[in-house]
Amino acid sequence: SYELTQPPSVSVSPGQTARITCSGDALPKQYVYWYQQKTGQAPVLVIYKDNERPSGIPERFSGSRSGTTVTLTISGVQAEDEADYYCQSADSSDPSYVFGPGTKVTVL
Amino acid sequence: EVQLVESGGGLVQPGGSLRLSCGASGFTFSSYWMHWVRQPPGKGLVWVSRINSNGRSAKYADSVKGRFTISRDNAKNTLYLQMNRLTVEDTAVYYCARDPDTLHFDSWGQGTLVTVSS
Repeated sequence: SYELTQPPSVSVSPGQTARITCSGDALPKQYVYWYQQKTGQAPVLVIYKDNERPSGIPERFSGSRSGTTVTLTISGVQAEDEADYYCQSADSSDPSYVFGPGTKVTVL
Repeated sequence: EVQLVESGGGLVQPGGSLRLSCGASGFTFSSYWMHWVRQPPGKGLVWVSRINSNGRSAKYADSVKGRFTISRDNAKNTLYLQMNRLTVEDTAVYYCARDPDTLHFDSWGQGTLVTVSS
């Protein structure tokens, strides 16, 4: 199996931009998905296939990739964006599913 | 509206068994792969198991292989997880999740807590 790496925490002031990275050796060949989990709640998909946004997810959430690193960007952070964010990937053949360790986003 | 509702969690002694259920509504259950994902207290998400749409193919994380069995009843729109030989390390909130393309999870239930303790 393989691992995904995320920073443990990111702090950002309201209105600023938060960037959360996810890296792993297998990522150049696989899509990355991002989930937001607020305290005591189930995860919610916020980005799929690296940079696609599900319906209902605000435009301030975006995704990008460069080589072995994929980035979730939250532009114009709001207090309601305070949560844990997990990246996830899967190999496409008889998939195995891996989550990153999660990044806690704190809105100052 | 897609809804997934887990049930069956609770307190069980080490070595015991438990069966979780996940009732699905708001979509054609039989068309989707389904998963169980767990989250130990204060920790991150961990994939546990998946089953394909017709129930004939399943896969498990190494940590539960041989102890857990995933199944589904498409007539009842219900996903199951039979958990045997439970250990304290299995203590977690267990989520069921829908998979639209075999690669990720687009809808999640609210979770059910399994506590393994003597």
